[in-house]
Amino acid sequence: EAGVAQSPRYKIIEKRQSVAFWCNPISGHATLYWYQQILGQGPKLLIQFQNNGVVDDSQLPKDRFSAERLKGVDSTLKIQPAKLEDSAVYLCASSTASGVYEQFFGPGTRLTVL
Amino acid sequence: QKEVEQNSGPLSVPEGAIASLNCTYSDRVSQSFFWYRQYSGKSPELIMSIYSNGDKEDGRFTAQLNKASQYVSLLIRDSQPSDSATYLCAVSRTGGFKTIFGAGTRLFVKA
Repeated sequence: EAGVAQSPRYKIIEKRQSVAFWCNPISGHATLYWYQQILGQGPKLLIQFQNNGVVDDSQLPKDRFSAERLKGVDSTLKIQPAKLEDSAVYLCASSTASGVYEQFFGPGTRLTVL
Repeated sequence: QKEVEQNSGPLSVPEGAIASLNCTYSDRVSQSFFWYRQYSGKSPELIMSIYSNGDKEDGRFTAQLNKASQYVSLLIRDSQPSDSATYLCAVSRTGGFKTIFGAGTRLFVKA
């Protein structure tokens, strides 16, 4: 079974530029999560989708971050414009929605904002 | 008070010893509890999940949950140098919502 795929693996941008990350979850997983992990901290949930609907985006900085999950499969997370403090690893995870909520993570995208 | 608290460590144990990792949480409606291992530069990897009070064993790993005390722990028996990593505790509400991770405990197993 293929795992969670993410791209790109690394991205370096200047502040005020925009950037997008892509995630493809494990086949059949209805729930998809985007996390931000700053060095030395645990992952922080940004947004959670169930199929193509948002079920939690309470910690998503909506003035600059947006995410979508068209057709309930893959997802994109966008930052526009980026700030220095957005430098982090962006992790995508997926899980089934059948009562067992174990999350499986992709390799992450390391973003550096200069 | 942090929502999920872990001792940042590092916790250092000799090879073959038992490593004990602890986690407390503040949200009383939490229903699902997870331990993830994260090697430096890698993404978190699920080790154990536990949903009801008591112990759950899987190989060298035992998760313990006490909802009344809002406490969850992970024991690693016969610790190996390859167990050296950061261990993340995660807590979710019913339906897998509102997942919150602790900052992690760094474990170092000395050969």
